[in-house]
Amino acid sequence: DTGVSQNPRHKITKRGQNVTFRCDPISEHNRLYWYRQTLGQGPEFLTYFQNEAQLEKSRLLSDRFSAERPKGSFSTLEIQRTEQGDSAMYLCASTQSPMNTEAFFGQGTRLTVV
Amino acid sequence: AQSVTQLDSHVSVSEGTPVLLRCNYSSSYSPSLFWYVQHPNKGLQLLLKYTSAATLVKGINGFEAEFKKSETSFHLTKPSAHMSDAAEYFCVVSQNTGGFKTIFGAGTRLFVKA
Repeated sequence: DTGVSQNPRHKITKRGQNVTFRCDPISEHNRLYWYRQTLGQGPEFLTYFQNEAQLEKSRLLSDRFSAERPKGSFSTLEIQRTEQGDSAMYLCASTQSPMNTEAFFGQGTRLTVV
Repeated sequence: AQSVTQLDSHVSVSEGTPVLLRCNYSSSYSPSLFWYVQHPNKGLQLLLKYTSAATLVKGINGFEAEFKKSETSFHLTKPSAHMSDAAEYFCVVSQNTGGFKTIFGAGTRLFVKA
Protein backbone atom coordinates (compact mmCIF):
# COMPACT_ATOMS: atom_id res chain seq x y z
CA ASP A 1 0.00 0.00 0.00
CA THR A 2 1.50 3.29 -1.05
CA GLY A 3 -0.51 5.49 1.29
CA VAL A 4 -3.46 7.80 0.79
CA SER A 5 -4.11 8.57 -2.85
CA GLN A 6 -6.09 11.52 -4.16
CA ASN A 7 -7.25 12.19 -7.69
CA PRO A 8 -7.02 14.40 -9.56
CA ARG A 9 -4.02 16.31 -8.25
CA HIS A 10 -5.14 19.49 -9.95
CA LYS A 11 -8.50 20.65 -11.22
CA ILE A 12 -9.35 23.88 -12.98
CA THR A 13 -13.02 24.52 -13.49
CA LYS A 14 -15.31 27.33 -14.48
CA ARG A 15 -17.53 28.95 -11.92
CA GLY A 16 -20.85 27.18 -11.72
CA GLN A 17 -19.57 23.77 -12.78
CA ASN A 18 -19.66 20.69 -10.58
CA VAL A 19 -16.47 18.89 -9.60
CA THR A 20 -15.80 15.58 -7.89
CA PHE A 21 -12.64 14.47 -6.12
CA ARG A 22 -11.69 10.99 -5.09
CA CYS A 23 -9.72 9.72 -2.11
CA ASP A 24 -8.41 6.20 -1.65
CA PRO A 25 -7.32 5.71 1.97
CA ILE A 26 -4.87 3.20 3.33
CA SER A 27 -6.72 -0.07 2.96
CA GLU A 28 -6.98 -1.14 6.61
CA HIS A 29 -7.96 2.32 7.85
CA ASN A 30 -11.61 2.62 8.74
CA ARG A 31 -11.68 6.37 9.29
CA LEU A 32 -11.45 8.89 6.48
CA TYR A 33 -11.33 12.67 6.76
CA TRP A 34 -11.64 15.60 4.38
CA TYR A 35 -9.96 18.94 4.98
CA ARG A 36 -9.70 22.18 3.03
CA GLN A 37 -6.57 24.30 3.02
CA THR A 38 -6.37 27.80 1.61
CA LEU A 39 -3.16 29.72 1.00
CA GLY A 40 -1.41 30.74 4.18
CA GLN A 41 -3.75 28.77 6.41
CA GLY A 42 -3.76 25.44 8.12
CA PRO A 43 -6.11 22.70 6.98
CA GLU A 44 -9.73 23.08 8.13
CA PHE A 45 -11.78 20.04 9.00
CA LEU A 46 -14.73 19.40 6.68
CA THR A 47 -16.09 15.96 7.46
CA TYR A 48 -15.20 12.45 8.49
CA PHE A 49 -16.38 8.88 7.98
CA GLN A 50 -16.10 5.77 10.03
CA ASN A 51 -16.47 2.99 7.50
CA GLU A 52 -19.39 4.12 5.31
CA ALA A 53 -21.04 6.30 7.94
CA GLN A 54 -20.53 10.05 7.80
CA LEU A 55 -20.25 10.91 11.48
CA GLU A 56 -19.48 14.59 11.53
CA LYS A 57 -19.71 17.57 9.24
CA SER A 58 -18.25 21.01 9.75
CA ARG A 59 -20.29 24.16 9.31
CA LEU A 60 -17.84 24.87 6.49
CA LEU A 61 -19.52 22.12 4.50
CA SER A 62 -22.30 24.07 2.79
CA ASP A 63 -25.18 22.37 1.02
CA ARG A 64 -23.22 22.59 -2.23
CA PHE A 65 -20.75 20.09 -0.80
CA SER A 66 -21.46 16.40 -0.44
CA ALA A 67 -19.21 13.55 0.55
CA GLU A 68 -19.77 9.84 0.30
CA ARG A 69 -17.98 6.67 1.20
CA PRO A 70 -20.37 4.08 -0.19
CA LYS A 71 -18.53 0.87 0.61
CA GLY A 72 -16.35 2.06 3.42
CA SER A 73 -13.30 2.20 1.18
CA PHE A 74 -12.75 5.13 -1.20
CA SER A 75 -14.54 8.43 -0.74
CA THR A 76 -15.71 11.16 -3.07
CA LEU A 77 -16.19 14.85 -2.37
CA GLU A 78 -18.46 16.70 -4.77
CA ILE A 79 -18.86 20.44 -5.02
CA GLN A 80 -21.85 21.66 -6.95
CA ARG A 81 -22.13 25.08 -8.61
CA THR A 82 -18.55 25.94 -7.76
CA GLU A 83 -17.66 29.46 -6.67
CA GLN A 84 -14.32 31.23 -6.74
CA GLY A 85 -14.18 30.98 -2.97
CA ASP A 86 -14.04 27.20 -3.30
CA SER A 87 -10.54 27.47 -4.75
CA ALA A 88 -8.32 25.63 -2.29
CA MET A 89 -6.37 22.46 -1.66
CA TYR A 90 -8.65 19.61 -0.61
CA LEU A 91 -6.89 17.10 1.59
CA CYS A 92 -7.90 13.60 2.53
CA ALA A 93 -6.54 11.67 5.49
CA SER A 94 -7.14 8.27 6.99
CA THR A 95 -6.56 6.71 10.38
CA GLN A 96 -6.98 3.37 12.00
CA SER A 97 -8.92 3.07 15.22
CA PRO A 98 -8.46 3.76 18.09
CA MET A 99 -8.93 7.47 17.95
CA ASN A 100 -6.13 9.96 17.86
CA THR A 101 -3.67 7.73 16.17
CA GLU A 102 -1.56 9.17 13.42
CA ALA A 103 -3.45 10.51 10.42
CA PHE A 104 -1.93 9.79 7.04
CA PHE A 105 -2.57 12.50 4.48
CA GLY A 106 -2.79 12.39 0.74
CA GLN A 107 -1.07 14.99 -1.40
CA GLY A 108 -4.33 16.78 -1.98
CA THR A 109 -6.36 18.02 -4.91
CA ARG A 110 -5.79 21.64 -5.80
CA LEU A 111 -8.97 23.21 -7.11
CA THR A 112 -8.93 26.47 -9.04
CA VAL A 113 -12.27 28.01 -9.94
CA VAL A 114 -12.02 30.61 -12.71
CA ALA B 1 -13.86 24.53 22.63
CA GLN B 2 -10.47 24.04 21.13
CA SER B 3 -8.03 26.41 19.53
CA VAL B 4 -4.39 26.47 18.62
CA THR B 5 -2.14 29.45 18.04
CA GLN B 6 1.20 29.30 16.32
CA LEU B 7 2.95 32.37 17.54
CA ASP B 8 5.18 32.92 14.53
CA SER B 9 4.11 32.85 10.91
CA HIS B 10 7.75 32.76 9.75
CA VAL B 11 10.96 31.67 11.44
CA SER B 12 14.37 32.00 9.87
CA VAL B 13 17.47 30.24 11.23
CA SER B 14 20.95 29.48 10.00
CA GLU B 15 21.95 25.92 9.26
CA GLY B 16 23.36 24.28 12.36
CA THR B 17 21.58 26.58 14.82
CA PRO B 18 18.64 25.61 17.06
CA VAL B 19 15.04 25.70 15.90
CA LEU B 20 12.11 26.82 18.07
CA LEU B 21 8.56 26.85 16.70
CA ARG B 22 6.02 28.00 19.24
CA CYS B 23 2.51 26.68 19.76
CA ASN B 24 -0.12 27.47 22.38
CA TYR B 25 -3.40 25.63 22.62
CA SER B 26 -6.66 25.64 24.49
CA SER B 27 -8.90 22.67 25.00
CA SER B 28 -11.88 21.90 27.17
CA TYR B 29 -10.79 18.30 27.43
CA SER B 30 -7.56 16.45 27.81
CA PRO B 31 -5.99 17.10 24.44
CA SER B 32 -3.83 15.17 22.09
CA LEU B 33 -1.28 17.36 20.37
CA PHE B 34 0.61 16.84 17.15
CA TRP B 35 3.15 18.53 14.95
CA TYR B 36 2.94 17.95 11.21
CA VAL B 37 5.34 19.10 8.50
CA GLN B 38 4.38 19.97 4.95
CA HIS B 39 7.01 20.15 2.26
CA PRO B 40 6.09 21.72 -1.09
CA ASN B 41 4.10 19.36 -3.28
CA LYS B 42 4.09 16.68 -0.60
CA GLY B 43 1.47 15.47 1.82
CA LEU B 44 1.42 16.36 5.48
CA GLN B 45 3.72 14.16 7.53
CA LEU B 46 3.51 13.53 11.25
CA LEU B 47 6.60 14.67 13.15
CA LEU B 48 5.48 13.71 16.65
CA LYS B 49 2.48 13.42 18.93
CA TYR B 50 1.58 13.82 22.58
CA THR B 51 -1.24 11.67 23.94
CA SER B 52 -0.98 12.02 27.74
CA ALA B 53 2.11 9.89 28.22
CA ALA B 54 5.58 11.42 28.60
CA THR B 55 5.53 15.21 28.42
CA LEU B 56 8.75 15.34 26.38
CA VAL B 57 8.03 13.79 23.04
CA LYS B 58 10.68 12.82 20.54
CA GLY B 59 9.83 12.70 16.87
CA ILE B 60 11.46 12.07 13.56
CA ASN B 61 14.43 13.92 12.10
CA GLY B 62 15.69 15.06 15.51
CA PHE B 63 12.63 17.11 16.43
CA GLU B 64 11.10 17.06 19.89
CA ALA B 65 8.36 18.91 21.73
CA GLU B 66 7.48 19.41 25.36
CA PHE B 67 3.90 19.48 26.63
CA LYS B 68 3.55 22.11 29.36
CA LYS B 69 0.06 22.05 30.79
CA SER B 70 0.61 25.05 33.06
CA GLU B 71 1.63 27.15 30.07
CA THR B 72 -0.75 25.43 27.60
CA SER B 73 2.18 25.16 25.24
CA PHE B 74 3.62 22.53 22.94
CA HIS B 75 6.68 24.11 21.37
CA LEU B 76 8.69 22.24 18.74
CA THR B 77 12.47 22.28 18.93
CA LYS B 78 15.49 20.88 17.17
CA PRO B 79 19.08 21.38 18.33
CA SER B 80 20.59 21.90 14.90
CA ALA B 81 18.73 22.94 11.76
CA HIS B 82 19.38 21.31 8.43
CA MET B 83 18.59 22.74 5.02
CA SER B 84 16.08 19.95 4.45
CA ASP B 85 14.05 21.18 7.45
CA ALA B 86 12.81 24.15 5.45
CA ALA B 87 9.05 23.61 5.23
CA GLU B 88 5.69 24.58 6.72
CA TYR B 89 4.98 23.25 10.21
CA PHE B 90 1.55 22.84 11.74
CA CYS B 91 0.63 22.41 15.37
CA VAL B 92 -2.57 20.40 15.80
CA VAL B 93 -4.87 19.85 18.78
CA SER B 94 -7.38 17.08 19.00
CA GLN B 95 -9.97 16.35 21.64
CA ASN B 96 -9.89 12.94 23.30
CA THR B 97 -13.63 12.61 22.96
CA GLY B 98 -13.89 10.51 19.88
CA GLY B 99 -13.03 10.69 16.24
CA PHE B 100 -10.17 12.81 15.11
CA LYS B 101 -11.76 16.22 15.23
CA THR B 102 -8.73 18.36 14.83
CA ILE B 103 -7.85 21.99 14.81
CA PHE B 104 -4.78 23.01 12.84
CA GLY B 105 -2.77 26.10 13.59
CA ALA B 106 -2.18 28.58 10.80
CA GLY B 107 1.30 27.20 10.27
CA THR B 108 4.87 28.42 10.68
CA ARG B 109 7.09 28.64 7.65
CA LEU B 110 10.67 27.67 8.56
CA PHE B 111 13.47 29.11 6.46
CA VAL B 112 16.99 27.70 6.83
CA LYS B 113 19.90 29.81 5.63
CA ALA B 114 23.17 28.29 4.52
